[in-house]
Amino acid sequence: QKEVEQNSGPLSVPEGAIASLNCTYSDRGSQSFFWYRQYSGKSPELIMFIYSNGDKEDGRFTAQLNKASQYVSLLIRDSQPSDSATYLCAVSSGGSNYKLTFGKGTLLTVNP
Amino acid sequence: EPEVTQTPSHQVTQMGQEVILRCVPISNHLYFYWYRQILGQKVEFLVSFYNNEISEKSEIFDDQFSVERPDGSNFTLKIRSTKLEDSAMYFCASSGTGIEKLFFGSGTQLSVL
Repeated sequence: QKEVEQNSGPLSVPEGAIASLNCTYSDRGSQSFFWYRQYSGKSPELIMFIYSNGDKEDGRFTAQLNKASQYVSLLIRDSQPSDSATYLCAVSSGGSNYKLTFGKGTLLTVNP
Repeated sequence: EPEVTQTPSHQVTQMGQEVILRCVPISNHLYFYWYRQILGQKVEFLVSFYNNEISEKSEIFDDQFSVERPDGSNFTLKIRSTKLEDSAMYFCASSGTGIEKLFFGSGTQLSVL
């Protein structure tokens, strides 16, 4: 059974701080890694994806991947109250079917 | 901006009834998916569909479930005889050529009474 694990939180940070979200996965064959944001009652929205070990930056967001440790993280710099949401880690094993396995998500609260 | 459209937004049905959830994927996308999320739980993969056939399905997607692309624009999920445990938010998604651009619809909240 391929698993994606996340700390469910809630993670609470003050406005302007760095929020750090973590995810581990069990399938060593995993090739693609995704972070989605989900507001309560809404659909998942893609923030970033990463394929290679190391860091990938996009604006205030940085994804970090360590395949040896089977670990992926998301850093949010200068956190804003509008970043308050559940952050979902998702993993794909590639191939032609593009199935995503999601973690349960980490609830982030950014306090003004 | 193009979006995936799902109807209805809410569906209430009696146990044992058939339901059809409808989706209009983004027009030039080639891959279509159904996921579901039971309240407070993970988003779970149900099925992927490419080139007019199922490419992968999960253990959840048993004989009670079916998918169809009846024309060039719609993509449907049918549950033949609903159970209480089918109550969930059902998300349709589509992608062009790669999963890195997976777009989700706004979901259909299915309540089975």
